[in-house]
Amino acid sequence: EAGVAQSPRYKIIEKRQSVAFWCNPISGHATLYWYQQILGQGPKLLIQFQNNGVVDDSQLPKDRFSAERLKGVDSTLKIQPAKLEDSAVYLCASSYPGSGYTFGSGTRLTVV
Amino acid sequence: SQQGEEDPQALSIQEGENATMNCSYKTSINNLQWYRQNSGRGLVHLILIRSNEREKHSGRLRVTLDTSKKSSSLLITASRAADTASYFCATDAGTSYDKVIFGPGTSLSVIP
Repeated sequence: EAGVAQSPRYKIIEKRQSVAFWCNPISGHATLYWYQQILGQGPKLLIQFQNNGVVDDSQLPKDRFSAERLKGVDSTLKIQPAKLEDSAVYLCASSYPGSGYTFGSGTRLTVV
Repeated sequence: SQQGEEDPQALSIQEGENATMNCSYKTSINNLQWYRQNSGRGLVHLILIRSNEREKHSGRLRVTLDTSKKSSSLLITASRAADTASYFCATDAGTSYDKVIFGPGTSLSVIP
């Protein structure tokens, strides 16, 4: 089966600019996650979708981050405006209930 | 605060030796998962162990779970240079909606 697709693979932007990441999960996986992974740390959950509804966004900085999952399939994560501390790898994952996650390759964001 | 924490933070062994990593967590769980991450890549799911299981095997990997001590261990036998990676435990924090929280990881170096 095809894996979780993410794009772009790398992005460099200046602070205060906006950026968007895209994720297409594995077909049939109802649950989709966005994680932020800062260098040397474990992934931190930003937002979790069940189909097109938000299940958990308690750690999403809502003043600058937004995410949507239209039609319960692919998803976009946006940052506007970006700060230096947003430099990280943004990982998308999807899962089937009771199974492990399948992660995409991630988007490495550098904010300068 | 972290739900799960791996120990040690870093581990260096010779090829052929066994590697053991531990994970401790704080709240009740439904299941615990282990993931591997090679440098600059996405996370790969290794094993999921449910709260009613005590031990699970997959190839050279052996995972144990002690719910009374809120701890798990990952044993990699006969290590290879290709096992060099970061290893993360992830717990679901006992939620009903499959939310998973990652620990900070153990960095394993296998020296040829």
